Amino acid sequence: EPEVTQTPSHQVTQMGQEVILRCVPISNHLYFYWYRQILGQKVEFLVSFYNNEISEKSEIFDDQFSVERPDGSNFTLKIRSTKLEDSAMYFCASSEVQGEGEQYFGPGTRLTVT
Amino acid sequence: SQKIEQNSEALNIQEGKTATLTCNYTNYSPAYLQWYRQDPGRGPVFLLLIRENKKEKRKERLKVTFDTTLKQSLFHITASQPADSATYLCALPKNSGGYQKVTFGTGTKLQVIP
Repeated sequence: EPEVTQTPSHQVTQMGQEVILRCVPISNHLYFYWYRQILGQKVEFLVSFYNNEISEKSEIFDDQFSVERPDGSNFTLKIRSTKLEDSAMYFCASSEVQGEGEQYFGPGTRLTVT
Repeated sequence: SQKIEQNSEALNIQEGKTATLTCNYTNYSPAYLQWYRQDPGRGPVFLLLIRENKKEKRKERLKVTFDTTLKQSLFHITASQPADSATYLCALPKNSGGYQKVTFGTGTKLQVIP
């Protein structure tokens, strides 16, 4: 069964450093998403991406964040200058259709900022 | 502001019984509602979607109801098994347009006791 994959599974970085989280969505999906989940809290929407551009973003997704689809398979989330409060689990998701389309989530990348 | 409320207390039930989880929302008029399952350290897994014009939907041992007057959805697992132990999240789309943004509730942790 096709699945969304994410690398790395765990990333430790120092405050102020740049990190890139990588995702490979399901191959025939057209809509891509990033979510984050701070430990013990709810899953929060960050950004959705379609046709090589951001289609929607939340207030969390400020200038420190960017997304890119550098090739036909990868989808990345970059945090330019990490802060302690960026420590969270980051989930990538993809869907075949928008709106009611079922979103398939990856296993997540645990980001720890020290 | 839009709010999704799920019982934050864990629900413990005996194996074989029916588990019922509640999702209440305010300041929303969603076109649909989704339920996801999340295991510790993993990404959410889609379970069911119910549209606003449907009162009930079933899938195997799962049943979801959607009452747009009460602004409430109930999620039932019949003949529950220890393997059903997980956190269950309800999710709704952004209120007006913006179908790509899905907002999750905090989730209810279900523990099925053998």
